[in-house]
Formats: sequence, C-alpha cells, structure tokens
Amino acid sequence: DAGITQSPRHKVTETGTPVTLRCHQTENHRYMYWYRQDPGHGLRLIHYSYGVKDTDKGEVSDGYSVSRSKTEDFLLTLESATSSQTSVYFCASGGASGELQETQYFGPGTRLLVL
Amino acid sequence: GDSVTQMEGPVTLSEEAFLTINCTYTATGYPSLFWYVQYPGEGLQLLLKATKADDKGSNKGFEATYRKETTSFHLEKGSVQVSDSAVYFCALTGGSQGNLIFGKGTKLSVKP
Repeated sequence: DAGITQSPRHKVTETGTPVTLRCHQTENHRYMYWYRQDPGHGLRLIHYSYGVKDTDKGEVSDGYSVSRSKTEDFLLTLESATSSQTSVYFCASGGASGELQETQYFGPGTRLLVL
Repeated sequence: GDSVTQMEGPVTLSEEAFLTINCTYTATGYPSLFWYVQYPGEGLQLLLKATKADDKGSNKGFEATYRKETTSFHLEKGSVQVSDSAVYFCALTGGSQGNLIFGKGTKLSVKP
C-alpha cells in the first residue's frame, strides 16, 4: 500500500474558525489531490497540486485554500469554517513517473464536523 | 464535462451470488477507468483498473472490461462473500487536471 497519511483523523470545530488538514505521502508522487465525500455526491475534487508550489482549483474550491511547500506534504485550509464544510476529506496522490492517468492512492480520510 | 453514472444502491445479495454493478461514462479523449472500494470507516482502495479499450482489469475475483463502444466498465464477480460488503466507486481520469471523476457509489451488502 502507498504510504499516505492524513492528520487529524477527526476534528470538531466551530463556525468561523480556521482549520488546516495535513496530507503526507512517502511515495514521491508528483500529483496530490484533496477530495471531499458527501452522501449522494460521491467524491468531488477541491484542489490539486502538480508539483511543489504548483496548485490549482477543482470543482468545489470555494472557501478552501491549499499549499504545497514540499513534495510529500499537501495542506488544505478552511479559512473560516462553515457548517456546509462538514464532510469527510480525502487526500490522494499519484503520478510517480509524471503521468496524469496513473493510479491515485488515497489516505484514510479526515472526518470534520463544523458546529 | 466528463461524468460517471453507476447503478443506484443499495444492493443486497446472498453469499455466493453473482454480482454486477453497472457503470457508464461520458468523456472526451481516452480516459483510464477504475473501480475503487471503500470498506466501512476506511479510505478508498484501488480494486482494479483499465487504461485502454478492451482491457480487462481483475483483482480478488472481480473483473471489469473497458468497453469503448458502449462507454461502459461494469464490475462483476462470480461468487460474492460477506467480506465483499462495501461501497464500490467507478471512476475515470484523463482530464487536464488528472483528477478522478467518481460515480456516486454503490453500497453492497452480502448476507450469509
């Protein structure tokens, strides 16, 4: 299994507070992604990164920002959490050889509850 | 844009029954196709993949064939086990972002 970890695994926070989720991979994958999983929606892309300091928006990026200062780390920040951001967040990585269509490997997820 | 449609669940089967979960897709270009499985409380695991037309992906008794003419990638297993109970996601990749586009998932419950 690919070495992808996420922290924290569970978090409860209050509306209006900033929250940062961390993804760490040990596979030297070029591409990293943040998805959110909600009932009835499957998984949807929030942001992705195609290299250190290279990031771009996905389908549901409003209210989120990301940073990637090292190949192995990809941070997702909720600048001011809202109840609509209560979800399960998954990080994924892939593309060790630089190919876009390579398999993506997922972390265990972070359950976020915004009260 | 690209999209994936998979059969609504939940699907409930008895142990040793035959499983089919339908998946069709809409895409420009030539996407790779995937099935991921999510066990309760866990992240997604790759089950199988196919990268071009007529390729068959297989793993753990599951199979799916990339059918370009019908834009389908149906998941099949000849004899399911209780341990196969999970949510199954069909997905494709190949857009400019390289991200996965998922179907909504199909929950499978296998009864002994």
